[in-house]
Amino acid sequence: DIVMTQTPLSLSVTPGQPASISCKSSQSLLHSDGKTYLYWYLQKPGQPPQLLIYEVSNRFSGVPDRFSGSGSGTDFTLKISRVEAEDVGVYYCMQSIQLFTFGPGTKVDIK
Amino acid sequence: EVQLVESGGGLVQPGRSLRLSCAASGFTFDDYAMHWVRQAPGKGLEWVSGISWNSGSIGYADSVKGRFTISRDNAKNSLYLQMNSLRAEDTALYYCAKAASSGYFFDYWGQGTLVTVSS
Repeated sequence: DIVMTQTPLSLSVTPGQPASISCKSSQSLLHSDGKTYLYWYLQKPGQPPQLLIYEVSNRFSGVPDRFSGSGSGTDFTLKISRVEAEDVGVYYCMQSIQLFTFGPGTKVDIK
Repeated sequence: EVQLVESGGGLVQPGRSLRLSCAASGFTFDDYAMHWVRQAPGKGLEWVSGISWNSGSIGYADSVKGRFTISRDNAKNSLYLQMNSLRAEDTALYYCAKAASSGYFFDYWGQGTLVTVSS
């Protein structure tokens, strides 16, 4: 089974400052089709998860461009260029090269 | 607008059964795979089960294999999860999630239905 880890598990950020979350997988997420099956979700308080990034670096429809994803193989990063109050919540990475596994989540709040 | 509305959750005793439903609208239901993902209180996300557009491909997490059965009725735009032999560790908010066209991720989620397994 593929294990996903995230660091840090919590993050307190000043509005307007950048934030970065790391996600690592126990196996490469690069498929033979050339795609890398790594995704990022944000779960705001009291809400279901919402898709932010698909296949490492593609923003989903309506996602602000302050969110960006990068990485390859087993190491990935989600960056928020300038954190806003509405960005608070828990961020999860997810792999889908072998069924579906989520990371433990990174809780982001505002200082 | 894509809408997914779960129902059927509640309090149930260990060993008993429960059937969850998810009513879908705002998209062509029978074009997409569908999934159930759960979240135990205060915990992270766990994929539970998924079903292809024509029910030809079905998968389960090891934690529910042999106890849960996923199904769909494309004529009714509905997804189901039959949960048998429920355990305390099945207590969670169960989300219905629509798969993206690639099938490799979930692009829309419902609000969830809470299942509590307790005597």
